Amino acid sequence: TQLLEQSPQFLSIQEGENLTVYCNSSSVFSSLQWYRQEPGEGPVLLVTVVTGGEVKKLKRLTFQFGDARKDSSLHITAAQPGDTGLYLCAGQNSGGYQKVTFGTGTKLQVIP
Amino acid sequence: NAGVTQTPKFRVLKTGQSMTLLCAQDMNHEYMYWYRQDPGMGLRLIHYSVGEGTTAKGEVPDGYNVSRLKKQNFLLGLESAAPSQTSVYFCASSRGASRLGEPQHFGDGTRLSIL
Repeated sequence: TQLLEQSPQFLSIQEGENLTVYCNSSSVFSSLQWYRQEPGEGPVLLVTVVTGGEVKKLKRLTFQFGDARKDSSLHITAAQPGDTGLYLCAGQNSGGYQKVTFGTGTKLQVIP
Repeated sequence: NAGVTQTPKFRVLKTGQSMTLLCAQDMNHEYMYWYRQDPGMGLRLIHYSVGEGTTAKGEVPDGYNVSRLKKQNFLLGLESAAPSQTSVYFCASSRGASRLGEPQHFGDGTRLSIL
């Protein structure tokens, strides 16, 4: 069974601070996605990373895929209240089983 | 654009009752999925479908059944609800195989409580 552990589980910070969320596994993934989920809604895709060592930037969000494709991180610069939500990483394995492994989630609260 | 629509949004059942959750997508996606979301456990795959008329078991299929008679609809059934099935249920769809990195599009969920 593939597991994706996210840390921290909860994070409460002041507006303007920087933060990093980690997504770790002992398994290798062919690609990895990050989703954000707001209360009462379903997850929405933020980014997909497919190459070991890849770095993608989405405005104030920076995503990195580990060299060994077992881990990933999400860094937010100058957090804003609109960044509040549940962040989920999801690993894909191109093997036969039709399964995407979702991480345990990081709940972020940005206080104005 | 409607995307993925789930009905109902909320439901309370008594133990032993049955019900069906409906998921409809208007994006002509081949793949559809049912997940449950529980605190601290992320999203766990219940059943999925790779096309009209097909279904397959996911990670936690026990106690659930599904049907995909039409490409745009994916139904999740609970034949005899148990308190352990209290959860938030999400339906998702994707154009291609999610295991190959295709993004999944989610509905807004159904909050189900079993008393």
